[in-house]
Amino acid sequence: AQSVTQLGSHVSVSEGALVLLRCNYSSSVPPYLFWYVQYPNQGLQLLLKYTSAATLVKGINGFEAEFKKSETSFHLTKPSAHMSDAAEYFCAVSKNSGGYQKVTFGTGTKLQVIP
Amino acid sequence: EPEVTQTPSHQVTQMGQEVILRCVPISNHLYFYWYRQILGQKVEFLVSFYNNEISEKSEIFDDQFSVERPDGSNFTLKIRSTKLEDSAMYFCASSGEVLNTEAFFGQGTRLTVV
Repeated sequence: AQSVTQLGSHVSVSEGALVLLRCNYSSSVPPYLFWYVQYPNQGLQLLLKYTSAATLVKGINGFEAEFKKSETSFHLTKPSAHMSDAAEYFCAVSKNSGGYQKVTFGTGTKLQVIP
Repeated sequence: EPEVTQTPSHQVTQMGQEVILRCVPISNHLYFYWYRQILGQKVEFLVSFYNNEISEKSEIFDDQFSVERPDGSNFTLKIRSTKLEDSAMYFCASSGEVLNTEAFFGQGTRLTVV
């Protein structure tokens, strides 16, 4: 079974500061890993994905994440937070097993950006 | 870019009524999914569908839920007798048979049961 654990349900950063949202995964097979962002009352937007190619993945809005197999981690970072980054972020995992792509989500981290 | 579309974006229904949530998956995809997100909580898997039958379902997906692919393009989730606790955002997703492809999610339908 696959799962992800997001450390910290709420994270606050100052505008311009580094954003670091933590995610650790558990998977018996090589995983696909994702970060989604959700703004209030909206749907899921894919920020970035890891699908066994490059371990450093760049996504939209200046976010990136690094797949570290030795640490079973896939932390999300952004060098400088903007007010518009305030949202909830979900780490997610699916099996790298062809067409069937059931996704398991983490519990989410709400990012607050302080002016 | 191809996308998964869901209708309606918001539906309000009375407790005990039947509701059907509709999704149009990406056209060449073969696997279809429904997920649910209760307000303030994480996104949970409900059911997956392949080759005109359910391939996997969670414990949430009880007898009041059903899924159907009534034609070549739509994928529906029916809730037979809605309860207050069915109020949630429901996401449809689809994926294909090609390796190294992820599931694509729709924008969701917010269901409010009153």
